[in-house]
Amino acid sequence: SAVISQKPSRDICQRGTSLTIQCQVDSQVTMMFWYRQQPGQSLTLIATANQGSEATYESGFVIDKFPISRPNLTFSTLTVSNMSPEDSSIYLCSVETASYEQYFGPGTRLTVT
Amino acid sequence: AQKVTQAQTEISVVEKEDVTLDCVYETRDTTYYLFWYKQPPSGELVFLIRRNSFDEQNEISGRYSWNFQKSTSSFNFTITASQVVDSAVYFCALILGGNTGKLIFGQGTTLQVKP
Repeated sequence: SAVISQKPSRDICQRGTSLTIQCQVDSQVTMMFWYRQQPGQSLTLIATANQGSEATYESGFVIDKFPISRPNLTFSTLTVSNMSPEDSSIYLCSVETASYEQYFGPGTRLTVT
Repeated sequence: AQKVTQAQTEISVVEKEDVTLDCVYETRDTTYYLFWYKQPPSGELVFLIRRNSFDEQNEISGRYSWNFQKSTSSFNFTITASQVVDSAVYFCALILGGNTGKLIFGQGTTLQVKP
């Protein structure tokens, strides 16, 4: 398994501002992922972050809005830029272990006012 | 297209009842992986099980059991003797063999276990 932490756990932000979410895992992993869960909805993959390369974004998500960094094998950040109330969601990072199991962090609850 | 369907939006049972959560998936790939996750009210996503498409053996873990049937493209989850602590949203998800990490989630089933 993997132990994943995220910071902050929650935040309330004003529209037009940006928030950077940090994800730390207790072991080195090749692939890290960022998901969004809008209120009352299921999870949607935002992007895949591999160390040493640009993140790969899913349809409907763009780098200017959700820039991602992956400086090493245990850490990644997701920035939600120029926020609007529609960005209010839970943002979760996940990792895939060597046995192809996926574990999730505790999530960051973002409210944009 | 790949898709995961959890037709049951909400289920309510009384403690100690058995309950089955349905999951039907669609894919043309022969290699894929199926997952179940639990999301309690606190919000974190708890990994429950991963099953690959070549392993149709049913699995039991304590009060939890999973029934994988490729013939009906289903991966159902049963909780035996449910407890209040089982109250949560349960998600079924799919990863295709060549798309490591890209989980395709169902809409989730909210399970309420009443004392």
